Formats: sequence, C-alpha cells, structure tokens
Amino acid sequence: EVHLVESGGGLVQPGGSLRLSCAASGFTFSNYAMSWVRQAPGKGLEWVSGFSDSGSSTYYADSVKGRFTISRDNSKNTLYLQMNSLRAEDTALYYCAKVTRTGTSIFDFWGQGTPVTVSS
Amino acid sequence: DIQMTQSPSTLSGSVGDRVTITCRASQSISSWLAWYQQKPGKAPKLLIYKASSLESGVPSRFSGSGSGTEFTLTISSLQPDDFATYYCQHYYIYPLTFGGGTKVEIK
Repeated sequence: EVHLVESGGGLVQPGGSLRLSCAASGFTFSNYAMSWVRQAPGKGLEWVSGFSDSGSSTYYADSVKGRFTISRDNSKNTLYLQMNSLRAEDTALYYCAKVTRTGTSIFDFWGQGTPVTVSS
Repeated sequence: DIQMTQSPSTLSGSVGDRVTITCRASQSISSWLAWYQQKPGKAPKLLIYKASSLESGVPSRFSGSGSGTEFTLTISSLQPDDFATYYCQHYYIYPLTFGGGTKVEIK
C-alpha cells in the first residue's frame, strides 16, 4: 500500500527557512515523478514544484522560483522541499504527491500534508 | 503560464440532480486535463484524467468531456457522498496549475 508521510512543517518568521520531507513507501520511489502541492487556509490547490519522470529536471511555480528547491534521495525514498526567504503568503498545508504513471503529471496518491505558518 | 478558470465557484444541488462544472484554460491544452474531488480535511482524490478517462474505482456517475480550452465535469445523479469541492488541473506543460475550485453544496 502506498504511503506518503510529510514532516518538517511549523511556525517560522518571515525571511526564515524550513525543510520539508516526504517519506514514501509501498512503491518503487525512484520510478515515479513527485511534486509538492500546497493549500492556503480556506483556499484552493496550488502546485509548487515537481520532478520530471527521469528525475533530471525540476520545475517550480513562479511564486516560489528562486526561493524553494526540490530534491530527492532515492536511497532513502524521500522527497524534500527546501524553503528559503519565506513570506506570509507561503502559509499553507504542504502536500507531497505521486504521479499516477510515467509520462503523466497527475497525482493518484497524496500525503496528509504538513502545515507551514509564516508569521512574526 | 496557463490559467485555469472554473465556474461556478459554488453550486447548490439536491440528491439526484445532474450537475455540471466548467473549466476553461487560457490556451489550448489538448486533452491534458484532470479533475479531483476534495473533502474537508482530506487530500484530493483523482476522478478523471485526459479530460474524459475515469480513474479506476471512481463511480460511473462522474464523467468528463472537452478538449482544447473548454472542459466539463458532470455528475449524472448527485449522491450524498459527492458534496465536496472539485478542482481541475492541466498537465500540458510545466508549471502545472489548478482551477480555483467549485464547492458543491446541499441545497
């Protein structure tokens, strides 16, 4: 059974940094592209960042480009999101998500999310 | 970036109603569109991919149609379990984007 478990969220001051982790199990992690998607309180879904199928390319939403860095450690079956220069508008629940199959960018499994609050 | 616009933002319906949600893309995305359902406090659930293909295990009362820039999600007979928020998502090119969501409420 597929499991995605995010961690690393919390309260941080504006300008601060956090590193989110997503521990994956139940599938061959290295074979699948992964993404981070966030949801601000009471708002809709926003795709944040993701890997290509090959894992050689990374992509970012304009809102986080230059501040966030996605990475993965296939030996640890873990996806990461390094978030720097955090702003109040980055406050959200951050989900990691697995693509359905190679060659797609749609998501069939999601974690439960880890909350990030940026506030002084 | 491709913008996705959903309408309506809220929809009130009764059990048994046929309801339709529209999603428009700011440029052609062929059929690279997915629909998700999200309930409060839960992660999204994939319903439809490639505009009209039903994800495994999803009830057949859900259907999708469209191509290019205009797409619809239809629930043929609304059930109590269907009251939720629905999102479209394009996957034509990065960055991926979601629509703003449509909340389906009980009338």
